[in-house]
Amino acid sequence: QKEVEQDPGPLSVPEGAIVSLNCTYSNSAFQYFMWYRQYSRKGPELLMYTYSSGNKEDGRFTAQVDKSSKYISLFIRDSQPSDSATYLCAMSQGGGGSYIPTFGRGTSLIVHP
Amino acid sequence: ETGVTQSPTHLIKTRGQQVTLRCSSQSGHNTVSWYQQALGQGPQFIFQYYREEENGRGNFPPRFSGLQFPNYSSELNVNALELDDSALYLCASSFSEVYNEQFFGPGTRLTVL
Repeated sequence: QKEVEQDPGPLSVPEGAIVSLNCTYSNSAFQYFMWYRQYSRKGPELLMYTYSSGNKEDGRFTAQVDKSSKYISLFIRDSQPSDSATYLCAMSQGGGGSYIPTFGRGTSLIVHP
Repeated sequence: ETGVTQSPTHLIKTRGQQVTLRCSSQSGHNTVSWYQQALGQGPQFIFQYYREEENGRGNFPPRFSGLQFPNYSSELNVNALELDDSALYLCASSFSEVYNEQFFGPGTRLTVL
């Protein structure tokens, strides 16, 4: 079992839909949680960064962390065709542990007009 | 403020050859990490450099080596290339080695024939 599990998709939704992307993890020491967006043949771009449990909102994006369930989510409201990309979750321990992030394999999202 | 840059963009090598990839970190960042991203997978951590010293290494053989220079730019060297080394190589920089937010360059796509 990998430390971070992420469904590769593809996830296909119509424009304007609410998108839910998820990751599960096994290492309870993870405290820092990131979401990256990666367009085809480009490097990942940091979208959201959260510490510990709770929600964080930034525009159309909301990140949720449930440490008790070892489950994190990224919600995209009013999805646009330009949101079509691969979304990578990443997490790290920080503190006394490593700050090096462990990545999921990414979920491919397609938003069609 | 300039972002992370990498060169070259693409590279084709044959098995057994050696390759050097280059990365310039984002302004103000002193830590550089290198990742290998195979097709359909998330980035896998190779190693990190902080103030010119290796500061952590992933599960990669010694034929993967690196350098960081006083201006915090970095090189990744791979000797005795194998077919499985074909991947997107990503460089990411951050403010420090204890900082979770990493900012990625566009990557170098290496093809080994």
